[in-house]
This record gives sequence, C-alpha cells and structure tokens, in this order.
Amino acid sequence: SQQGEEDPQALSIQEGENATMNCSYKTSINNLQWYRQNSGRGLVHLILIRSNEREKHSGRLRVTLDTSKKSSSLLITASRAADTASYFCATDSTDSWGKLQFGAGTQVVVTP
Amino acid sequence: NAGVMQNPRHLVRRRGQEARLRCSPMKGHSHVYWYRQLPEEGLKFMVYLQKENIIDESGMPKERFSAEFPKEGPSILRIQQVVRGDSAAYFCASSPTMGQLNTEAFFGQGTRLTVV
Repeated sequence: SQQGEEDPQALSIQEGENATMNCSYKTSINNLQWYRQNSGRGLVHLILIRSNEREKHSGRLRVTLDTSKKSSSLLITASRAADTASYFCATDSTDSWGKLQFGAGTQVVVTP
Repeated sequence: NAGVMQNPRHLVRRRGQEARLRCSPMKGHSHVYWYRQLPEEGLKFMVYLQKENIIDESGMPKERFSAEFPKEGPSILRIQQVVRGDSAAYFCASSPTMGQLNTEAFFGQGTRLTVV
C-alpha cells in the first residue's frame, strides 16, 4: 500500500454531523499535512502537524498524529455542505528532501 | 502577494504534440515541486527543482518529460510527443527553503492537460 493512505475512501454524512478520516503512512516523517480539493480545483492547505506534535486544532478541524502507529486523523466538526470535497493527507519523509507523498484521498459528501 | 501561478489552466493537445506547462512560484520562493494527479487519484511527486538545478527527478518518466527552473522566469514542465496517458492535472508547489521542512507547501491551481 502507498505512503499516506486515507481511510475511508468515501464518506457521506448530513450537515451538522462530524466527519472523521484517517491516514496511515510507512516511513519516518518531518510533518504531515492535510489538504482539501474541490472537484476539478487546486489544493487548499488545511493543517500541518509536526512529528513532535500530537494534536492540532484550526477552527472546526482537529488533527491528531500518532507516530508510534504511523497514523493521523482529521476530524471536521459540525460539517457543512461547503465541506464537500476530497481530503488528502501528505507526508514529508525525513529522507525525501521535502517532497510530499499523497494518499488517494477521502471523498466527503455533506448533504443539507 | 500572488500565490503560485500556473498557466495555462487548461491545455488540449493532439497525440504527438508538445505540451509546455508553466509555474511561477510565490515571491521569495526558490524551490519548486511538480506533481501529477490522475483522475480519482492522489498527487504523485514528479520533480523538485531549485533555480538552475534539478534536485530530485525520481518521479519523472524516463522519456519525453523534462523540467527546468531557469535563473529568470517560471519553471517549465515539458512533455514531448504527448500520448493519451499523459492526460492529467499537473500541479506545482513552491517553498522558500530547501525541502518543505515544517512549512506548508503552497500549491498552484494546476494545469489540466487533455490529450486527444
């Protein structure tokens, strides 16, 4: 399986509910970043969490990082229809000169 | 301060033609990364460049693809003799320092290449 693999592949929820998605990776990392991509658009940076951090918040977003399990989670609280997008995690490995490795993403659909 | 600028946004080429994709990094950024995204997939690293230097091209196909980042002007990703399988979205990211250690990567809006 590839570095930065998201789970689930797709998620369908109603407005107001929380959405949780997970990311697993294989190598040692400097940091892990979460991005959002609306259909046919570019990537929007959401949060960067460093390898020595365990949790980070930004508005309705909460990211956790467990380096012992090589996994991260992204929680979107009180979801809105505008949160409908694909969400990607990307890892910056310690031996990779800063290039990012992306997973295939989680498609989130929030219905009103 | 403009973000990472990519042009064109959409590019249609016939099989066998050349495609040239441009990326102007954010002001003050001297490191550029190119990624390719196939439909329904995540981004795949292609190449990492500094001004006038290729640092890591491990993700570049061996043939037909080349990249440059001259002292003046944008970074160029060039695809010669395009084939249908080259159809994808190509994204550029820039950063101010070597690698992207603990700094977010700033991405452009991408160039969507369609080969007909």
